[in-house]
Amino acid sequence: NAGVMQNPRHLVRRRGQEARLRCSPMKGHSHVYWYRQLPEEGLKFMVYLQKENIIDESGMPKERFSAEFPKEGPSILRIQQVVRGDSAAYFCASSSTTSGAAGELFFGEGSRLTVL
Amino acid sequence: GQQLNQSPQSMFIQEGEDVSMNCTSSSIFNTWLWYKQDPGEGPVLLIALYKAGELTSNGRLTAQFGITRKDSFLNISASIPSDVGIYFCAGTQSTSGTYKYIFGTGTRLKVLA
Repeated sequence: NAGVMQNPRHLVRRRGQEARLRCSPMKGHSHVYWYRQLPEEGLKFMVYLQKENIIDESGMPKERFSAEFPKEGPSILRIQQVVRGDSAAYFCASSSTTSGAAGELFFGEGSRLTVL
Repeated sequence: GQQLNQSPQSMFIQEGEDVSMNCTSSSIFNTWLWYKQDPGEGPVLLIALYKAGELTSNGRLTAQFGITRKDSFLNISASIPSDVGIYFCAGTQSTSGTYKYIFGTGTRLKVLA
């Protein structure tokens, strides 16, 4: 059973370009979460999605950032017109539920965005 | 966003020593999870706790879900150099089929050989 798959692992963009980060959750998982992490810092929640629905986007900047989790295919975190401050590691995580309770959350290896 | 209080923030210990870290909150959680993150990698799940009072071990790791459901601790016995990394706790809350994971700020562990 493959784990959470993220790609690309590393992405370099120039200011003003777009960054697209992809996440395929673990098989059978319908809950996807995106987190952002700066060096030596903790995990900052960005957005929580279920298939075709955004459940909680309270941690995501209102401008330039968007996320989706379509019925078919991976979840996408999209950053438009990137700025240097967007440079960070972006982690995706997925979970299922266990008897109606939150299940174990599994992380991907992350996508490291560098904005020049 | 909401975060758990995790302590200590960082620790330097000698190889062979035992390590203890904890997370506390003013909120009640349904589940507690403990993760380790190595440099350049994603967090890896170490232990999951589902019931108040539950004590669970995984090798040299032991974790407990506090009776009040507002705290949890992680112990590492006889530390070794590869225990170096950042340890995160996470508590979960459920509301009408949606699930929130709240993370601690992390404990940075360094082991001196």
